[in-house]
Amino acid sequence: KAGVTQTPRYLIKTRGQQVTLSCSPISGHRSVSWYQQTPGQGLQFLFEYFSETQRNKGNFPGRFSGRQFSNSRSEMNVSTLELGDSALYLCASSYGTASYEQYFGPGTRLTVT
Amino acid sequence: GQQLNQSPQSMFIQEGEDVSMNCTSSSIFNTWLWYKQEPGEGPVLLIALYKAGELTSNGRLTAQFGITRKDSFLNISASIPSDVGIYFCAGNDRGSTLGRLYFGRGTQLTVWP
Repeated sequence: KAGVTQTPRYLIKTRGQQVTLSCSPISGHRSVSWYQQTPGQGLQFLFEYFSETQRNKGNFPGRFSGRQFSNSRSEMNVSTLELGDSALYLCASSYGTASYEQYFGPGTRLTVT
Repeated sequence: GQQLNQSPQSMFIQEGEDVSMNCTSSSIFNTWLWYKQEPGEGPVLLIALYKAGELTSNGRLTAQFGITRKDSFLNISASIPSDVGIYFCAGNDRGSTLGRLYFGRGTQLTVWP
């Protein structure tokens, strides 16, 4: 079974721009969670989607948003990029409501200049 | 939010030695997970624990779910150079945080041949 895939793997953007990151979960997994990883803050939860509905959201500004499609693929968007948004963005999928075993993709390395 | 304290922050050991690391939370967790992350990759799930007192092994790795439900431990026996990486504990309290994992700051493991 293929793992979680994320595209693109690397991205360089300028302050003020917006960016969209994509995540394809493991086949059959319906939950997708997004995390931001930085050296200073570690792994921070952004939001989680299940069956196209956002069930949970972390403590991030409204510039961070996401969505999930009917095939469970998910995208996250960051608008008006700031230098501090430079990070590794990780997507994780799990089977469903009762499963807390999350499987991570390789991440998208975003650099904001 | 939940605070996970993971220790030690880093370990420098010789090949063949055993390794122990632990993680404590500020509240009761219902799930404990251990991940390993290597440079340029996302975290890889090593072990999942669901019951207080549970002891689970995965090859040379053994993890335990503390009986207080506020801690977990990971041991690696007879370390080898490919054990190098950052080990993260993660947990979920199954309350209002569906789909969300809280992460420790990681233990950086270096193994000398």
